[in-house]
Amino acid sequence: DAKTTQPTSMDCAEGRAANLPCNHSTISGNEYVYWYRQIHSQGPQYIIHGLKNNETNEMASLIITEDRKSSTLILPHATLRDTAVYYCIVRVADFGNEKLTFGTGTRLTIIP
Amino acid sequence: EPEVTQTPSHQVTQMGQEVILRCVPISNHLYFYWYRQILGQKVEFLVSFYNNEISEKSEIFDDQFSVERPDGSNFTLKIRSTKLEDSAMYFCASTVLQGTQTEAFFGQGTRLTVV
Repeated sequence: DAKTTQPTSMDCAEGRAANLPCNHSTISGNEYVYWYRQIHSQGPQYIIHGLKNNETNEMASLIITEDRKSSTLILPHATLRDTAVYYCIVRVADFGNEKLTFGTGTRLTIIP
Repeated sequence: EPEVTQTPSHQVTQMGQEVILRCVPISNHLYFYWYRQILGQKVEFLVSFYNNEISEKSEIFDDQFSVERPDGSNFTLKIRSTKLEDSAMYFCASTVLQGTQTEAFFGQGTRLTVV
């Protein structure tokens, strides 16, 4: 699976959009970009994933650049409950590769 | 919303003792996983399980570890002789399918403290 690079930490004001970047310059054509988050020491929580098109769900939007070498997770109206560590994970589209490889992620702090 | 349930939430055990961590995956899921997170470190994959056998395991998952699905609902992780360095949060996860088109659902974890 391709390696990802994320900033160690970020702050965002409550009510603002939080934009979390991720670089995955070695991503290959059959790899998906996944985002999970971990609030305090709870179990990781799935947020969103995509291949090359932008994706949106009730939690967030995922913007993937045309060359697929980077992506941005957008939380449109951040709340204090969004304070968490956010993980960008790239996974090959290959049945049999089941595991998630977590990096150190971005610690996002929402400021009141 | 369906959820993965883990018990106990916290377990303290003496070094050398056996522990069994329990998980109830989401009912229609077919693939089950254990991960661990040592305090302050990354979440690490331990093992995946499908059709009553291990499908993949990491280097961490040595002979001290075993997994089992003893009935139709529970999925367990056993550590035979615990060491101090086994102290960690252990997370169970399940997916309905294998591969990338699926999200993993994680339980809230069991905090294992070995003293």
